[in-house]
Amino acid sequence: EAGVAQSPRYKIIEKRQSVAFWCNPISGHATLYWYQQILGQGPKLLIQFQNNGVVDDSQLPKDRFSAERLKGVDSTLKIQPAKLEDSAVYLCASSLVDRGINEQYFGPGTRLTVT
Amino acid sequence: QKEVEQNSGPLSVPEGAIASLNCTYSDRGSQSFFWYRQYSGKSPELIMFIYSNGDKEDGRFTAQLNKASQYVSLLIRDSQPSDSATYLCAVKQDSNYQLIWGAGTKLIIKP
Repeated sequence: EAGVAQSPRYKIIEKRQSVAFWCNPISGHATLYWYQQILGQGPKLLIQFQNNGVVDDSQLPKDRFSAERLKGVDSTLKIQPAKLEDSAVYLCASSLVDRGINEQYFGPGTRLTVT
Repeated sequence: QKEVEQNSGPLSVPEGAIASLNCTYSDRGSQSFFWYRQYSGKSPELIMFIYSNGDKEDGRFTAQLNKASQYVSLLIRDSQPSDSATYLCAVKQDSNYQLIWGAGTKLIIKP
């Protein structure tokens, strides 16, 4: 079974530029999460999708971040314009359902550096 | 504010010994608990989960849960240098099924 796919793996941009990340979850996983992880910290949830609907985006900085999950499969996360403090690893995770044990499986992540 | 606390470490353990990693949580109603391993520069990898009081064993790993004390731990027996990583504890909220994450404990296994 293929795991969670993410691209790109690395991205370096200047502040005020825009960037987009892509995620393809494990086949059949209805729930998809985007996390931001800063070095030395645990993952911080940005947005949670159930199929193609948003379950929770309370910690997404909506003035600059946006995310979508068209057709309930792939998802993209966009930052526009980027700030220095957005430098982090952006992780995508998926789970089979949003209840029960809710094991989440992570993709390899995208390391973003904003200069 | 629901919290998950872990000692940041580093925790240094000699090869072959038992490594003991601890995690406390604030939400008494939490039901499911997860341990993830994260190697430097890699993404978190699920090791095991536990939801009943007591011990759950999987190979060299044992998760222990004490809901009365709001405490969950991970024991790694016969520690190997390849176990050197950061171990993240995560607790599932029953209200929205999201995970609350600790900051992780860095474990170093010395040959």
